[in-house]
Amino acid sequence: QVQLVESGGGLVKPGGSLRLSCEASGFTFFSDSYMTWIRQAPGKGLEWVSYISSSGSARFYADSVKGRFTISRDNAKSSMYLQMNSLRAEDTAVYYCANLHWYSTNVWGQGTTVTVSS
Amino acid sequence: QSALTQPPSASGSPGQSVTISCTGTSSDVGRYNYVSWYQHHPGKVPKLMISEVNQRPSGVPDRFSGSKSGNTASLTVSGLQAEDEADYYCSSYGGSNNILFGGGTKLTVL
Repeated sequence: QVQLVESGGGLVKPGGSLRLSCEASGFTFFSDSYMTWIRQAPGKGLEWVSYISSSGSARFYADSVKGRFTISRDNAKSSMYLQMNSLRAEDTAVYYCANLHWYSTNVWGQGTTVTVSS
Repeated sequence: QSALTQPPSASGSPGQSVTISCTGTSSDVGRYNYVSWYQHHPGKVPKLMISEVNQRPSGVPDRFSGSKSGNTASLTVSGLQAEDEADYYCSSYGGSNNILFGGGTKLTVL
């Protein structure tokens, strides 16, 4: 059974950094799959954050995080990461990792919570 | 890029049909057939219900259907059931390597 598990969330002060991880299991085609991060702020809707190609050579970001967040992956470890720098209060959200197939996602992790507050 | 526009709420009685709209522009919904719909029960993980405008993933009841006309995509839920009560989000490829989400629609089964 395909499973994605996020980790690395927590409480951080504005301006701080955090690195999220997403580990895939039972995901035979992980190295062939585009992957994405999607977030949901408290009481708000879903927001796409970033996605990365299967090889990791192509990376794309929402304008709201461009220049502050960096997506990466290690196919040998079936893992994806999101390095978040210069965090702001508005980055507070549940962060989900998911696969991406023709711009839709059918496998989601359970999410990890990031809280940016002083 | 702006988010897609969805009505904040929709409702229907059990057995009825309800349609949720998702309005974009000629640069996103109107241009690409990469519209998806997700069901999200609070506290749970979002679930893909429709991809590529009208494709239903395995396991999704055929009561759920998707369509598109011009810059507006729609999700129709037929034969409403109590378990269909959830938040529904549309998304679309927005061009220039962007993915857009709608603001979400809270579906209430009366």
